[in-house]
Amino acid sequence: GDSVTQMEGPVTLSEEAFLTINCTYTATGYPSLFWYVQYPGEGLQLLLKATKADDKGSNKGFEATYRKETTSFHLEKGSVQVSDSAVYFCALSFLGGYQKVTFGTGTKLQVIP
Amino acid sequence: EADIYQTPRYLVIGTGKKITLECSQTMGHDKMYWYQQDPGMELHLIHYSYGVNSTEKGDLSSESTVSRIRTEHFPLTLESARPSHTSQYLCASSGDGPQHFGDGTRLSIL
Repeated sequence: GDSVTQMEGPVTLSEEAFLTINCTYTATGYPSLFWYVQYPGEGLQLLLKATKADDKGSNKGFEATYRKETTSFHLEKGSVQVSDSAVYFCALSFLGGYQKVTFGTGTKLQVIP
Repeated sequence: EADIYQTPRYLVIGTGKKITLECSQTMGHDKMYWYQQDPGMELHLIHYSYGVNSTEKGDLSSESTVSRIRTEHFPLTLESARPSHTSQYLCASSGDGPQHFGDGTRLSIL
């Protein structure tokens, strides 16, 4: 079946550091890929998405590129802020119809001043 | 911003009580979902619905039940709460695009 593997956390960074959270996937076919973010006490928010190979999703300074050859969708940000502290989930889905979403286990990011 | 609402946000209640967690969305989405999120953060799909009068069980077995009488409303019910039901419950909805989530209900059973 489909699966998503993302790097273990927690990840602790100093403010303005570079962030990478690795995500790889296994799927039959060509899914859409997503990063969701969950701030403390809240639900998940869609951060960015990519629907086909080589697409780059971006939002709020975060970026991720859909790499079919390496089945990866790594999340990056050039300079993190304290307000980026949250849990980040990588996910895949086949949009349209019943779209079961396969989530990774989440990576907790803590940014310290 | 997605408009999907869950109530209550927090609930602490005794064993054996009947509980209903509410979820409503104003986006006209046909598909709705319930997830259980454990303290380790992992999400588990427990119920989903394709539309009115459609309900299906998810990947994780749950003693809860759901109903979908109206498009916008997808309540989850526990007939007799137990401490093992203590968790965070997240509701989501979607049309043809990505799922949108509510802020969740944190449930504690004493």
